Formats: sequence, C-alpha cells, structure tokens
Amino acid sequence: DVKVTQSSRYLVKRTGEKVFLECVQDMDHENMFWYRQDPGLGLRLIYFSYDVKMKEKGDIPEGYSVSREKKERFSLILESASTNQTSMYLCASSLADPRDNDQPQHFGDGTRLSIL
Amino acid sequence: GQNIDQPTEMTATEGAIVQINCTYQTSGFNGLFWYQQHAGEAPTFLSYNVLDGLEEKGRFSSFLSRSKGYSYLLLKELQMKDSASYLCAVTMDSGGGADGLTFGKGTHLIIQP
Repeated sequence: DVKVTQSSRYLVKRTGEKVFLECVQDMDHENMFWYRQDPGLGLRLIYFSYDVKMKEKGDIPEGYSVSREKKERFSLILESASTNQTSMYLCASSLADPRDNDQPQHFGDGTRLSIL
Repeated sequence: GQNIDQPTEMTATEGAIVQINCTYQTSGFNGLFWYQQHAGEAPTFLSYNVLDGLEEKGRFSSFLSRSKGYSYLLLKELQMKDSASYLCAVTMDSGGGADGLTFGKGTHLIIQP
C-alpha cells in the first residue's frame, strides 16, 4: 500500500512566522502535490512537482512556496504566515506513467494548521 | 476557467441506491476521478473515467458523458459506513506531464437506518 506521511496532524503558529509542512511518500512516486481544503470551497491545488527540483504553480500559489530536494519528500512553506492560511493541508503523490498521465493520487491524512 | 458542480448534501436510506451527479465545464478535459472522504480522514480513490460509459466496481459504479460534461457515482446496497463526502475531480489534457486535480466542493452523503 502507498503510504503518504505528513509530519504533523495539528499545528499552531503565529502570524508572520515561517512555517514548514513536510510530506514523505514511500512508493517512489514521481509526482507530488499540495492542496488546502476549506469548508464550502473544497480542495484547491497550491503547488505540485513532477520531478526532483521541479515545481509548478497550482490554482492558489500566493503566499506559499515549495521544495523538492529528494524524490520522496515535498515540503510546503508559508513564507510569512497569515490568518487566512488557517486550513487543512493535504499532500498527495502519484505515479508518472508516460502512457497515461492520469494515475490516482494517494493522499496523506492532512495537517490542520491554525495561524493565530 | 473551470467549473465543477455537485450537490452539497444528499440523504439516503441503508440498503437503497443513491446517485451523486457531477457536472463540469472545463477547457482541455482529460478524465474524471471520484474520491471518498470520511470526516477527519484523507480522500481515497474510488474510480476513474476517461471514456464515455459506465465503469462498475463492486457496489460502486461511475458514469461519464464527455459530450454532456456530466458524470455520476452510483452507490448500491448502501451501508452506514458509506456516510462520507464524495469528491468529483477532473484532470486536464496538458500535453504531457502531471497535473493537479481540480475538485468540486464535494457531496456530503448521509445514510439513515
């Protein structure tokens, strides 16, 4: 079974802090993703990566950055946390298949981040 | 732009059948996923449709009509554990490489005894 592990289940930080959310997958997947999930808005894509050191902006990248130094690890960084970044953050990974780009994404359990 | 619509909430009875609809308006549509998410848990993959028609997988089936921009998830012989949110998500044809999913807001399904 694919295992996507997010470092923290719950996290509380203060406005202006630099926040790191870590995600590790153990299935040698090429693709990794960060989403946030908010009531009434659903899941929205922040950033994704299809290879080490590669990154692509999703639908709502403002206020975030990412790092992919190793294949198994994808970090989401809040440069200067603000209260509107209080949310559930979900990491996902998927296999890259050149014959079929649409492989299922496997999600971690999420990090509920509160910015005070 | 992309627009994905699904009902906010549905209620059904244990043992019955329920159909959850999803309509989408997107440019460069490639395929459609359905995910199940129990409260406080990660979304889990249910089905994927890229061609028109019905895909059956046990008690769950998913249908796609590309020309109508329409999909549904059909759940049969409902069980209490099927109470969850059901998320419709589409992928785009970007011409190669991975793309993130664009999700609908999810349908909260309540199963009553």
